Amino acid sequence: DIQMTQSPSSLSASIGDRVTITCQASQDISNFLNWYQQKPGKAPKLLIYDASNLETGVPSRFSGSGSGTDFTFTISSLQPEDNATYYCQQYDGVLTFGGGTKVEIK
Amino acid sequence: QLVQSGAEMKKPGASVKVSCKASGYTFTSYIISWVRQAPGQGPEWMGWISAYSGNTENVQKFQGRVTMTTDTSTSTAYMELRSLRADDTAVYYCASGASSSKLDHWGQGTLVTVSS
Repeated sequence: DIQMTQSPSSLSASIGDRVTITCQASQDISNFLNWYQQKPGKAPKLLIYDASNLETGVPSRFSGSGSGTDFTFTISSLQPEDNATYYCQQYDGVLTFGGGTKVEIK
Repeated sequence: QLVQSGAEMKKPGASVKVSCKASGYTFTSYIISWVRQAPGQGPEWMGWISAYSGNTENVQKFQGRVTMTTDTSTSTAYMELRSLRADDTAVYYCASGASSSKLDHWGQGTLVTVSS
């Protein structure tokens, strides 16, 4: 099974900061990589699909890049409502999630 | 929109069946996945079912214990998990997608608690 290593596990940043999260796959997964946001007590929400495509209705401050084994998720200007946990998820016939990154606002 | 059934409390060894009713789209055009999340943990994908064909794909660790079905007449998907253990305590989500690779829309989650 493909393992997803996500880092950091948590971070604290100020409003307006640029935030970057990385996800590394144990094998080449092409661009089958999605990013989700989860707020406490709520279901995850799809933000980015196929590594770099913004889901409809998602603010443009969210972006994703990468292919193969190394992927990056970026919030260009952190907003108060971005306080959440973010997960990467790969697909190779089986869906596997990364360990998550908890983003806190300073 | 996906609306799930309510919270359940079960004893070890029992079974639970969670429902997921879809509305606002053509049910048979989508794949329904089931994902669970134990307290304080990340999501864990359990498998999917095609609402069109009824074909399923399950994670090996759940094979033999989980059954995923759909009722196209009511646009409802079901996930039954048998031989429950304490470590099956989790929030169980259904999620739909036009493909099996991503989870576009999610239900609100169903808390299943397994305790003696």
